[in-house]
This record gives sequence, C-alpha cells and structure tokens, in this order.
Amino acid sequence: KAGVTQTPRYLIKTRGQQVTLSCSPISGHRSVSWYQQTPGQGLQFLFEYFSETQRNKGNFPGRFSGRQFSNSRSEMNVSTLELGDSALYLCASSLRLAGSRYNEQFFGPGTRLTVL
Amino acid sequence: QKEVEQDPGPLSVPEGAIVSLNCTYSNSAFQYFMWYRQYSRKGPELLMYTYSSGNKEDGRFTAQVDKSSKYISLFIRDSQPSDSATYLCAMSDSGAQKLVFGQGTRLTINP
Repeated sequence: KAGVTQTPRYLIKTRGQQVTLSCSPISGHRSVSWYQQTPGQGLQFLFEYFSETQRNKGNFPGRFSGRQFSNSRSEMNVSTLELGDSALYLCASSLRLAGSRYNEQFFGPGTRLTVL
Repeated sequence: QKEVEQDPGPLSVPEGAIVSLNCTYSNSAFQYFMWYRQYSRKGPELLMYTYSSGNKEDGRFTAQVDKSSKYISLFIRDSQPSDSATYLCAMSDSGAQKLVFGQGTRLTINP
C-alpha cells in the first residue's frame, strides 16, 4: 500500500507570493491533517479535513487555508508569504472511522518551503 | 508556556544503553499519548500509543503515562545505532486528530 505522498518536496518562494502544497492520503483514508514544523516552534497543527469539511483548526492566521477534494486529496495554501513561513509542512492521513476511539495518523515526507 | 514540554537534547549514549525520554504537559484533557520517531528528511512515524494512564511495552520500547503527574516517558532498551533519530511525544484530547507535539529530542546512539 502506498504511503502518504506530498508534492512538491521542495519549494522556494519570495516574500509576498502565495504557495499551494498538495497531499495524497493513503488509499481509503478520509481524514487529512496538516502540520508545520520549524526548529523554533516544533510541530504545530494547522488544520484537519474530513469529508471535504474542515473539522479542526490550529492557531494560525487566515493566510493559511486548505481544502479537501471528493477523492480525499488535500491542498493547503499560504498567501502573502512571510520569511517566518519557511518550514517543513507535513501532511498526515488517517481512517477516522466512526465510533473508533483512536485513529493513527500516518505522515508524509513533507514539503520543505523556503521563503526568501 | 507550551502545553507540552520536551527537552530537545541532544542526547548521546553508547550502544546497548537504556535510553529514557520524557515529556510533561499542562492540559489535563489529554487522553491519548503517542511517541513518534523522525529520521532526517522523513516524516514522523508512530512508535507507541497509549490511552489514559499506564504502561505499554513493544519489543525494546516501553511507554509510561502518569496522568496524575502529567508526565510521560519512553524507554528504549538495548539501544542500537539505528535508533538514532528525533523522538517526539504527542498528545491529544478526544478523537486524537489534533495532535500537540513536544519539541522533540534528538538522540544519537554511538557504536
């Protein structure tokens, strides 16, 4: 079974630009979560999508947005990039079965974004 | 103050040693406690998951959760050079979908 895939793996942008990152979950997984990882703040939750709806949201400004498609693939968008947005952006998928107490999250390799 | 505190290390030990990693937290609503391992240029992978308090063992790895002290630990026995990685604790309240991570501890096992 293929794992979580993220594209692109590396990206360089300049301040003020916008960027779109893509995530394809494991086949059959319907929940996709996004995280930002930086040396200073560590791994921080951005948002979760399930059945094309945002279910949870972290404490990030509105410049960070996302969406999920009917095939569970997800994209996240960052508008008006700032230097501090340089980070590894990780996507994680899970089954999120109804009535299940715990659903393991499987992480992709991440997209390394550098803002110049 | 962060919800989850973890000493970032780095931690360096000789091969075969017992490694102890730990995290403290402040949110008493956390019920799900996880340890992830992250190799360089890879995403985190789940090592252990514990619900509520107690111990859990899986091979050379043992996870402990003490909710009364808001303290969790991961022990690695007979450590191997292949265990060299960053270890992240993570926690969540109901549903385990929104994970709150510690800073991660960078561990090196020296042959």
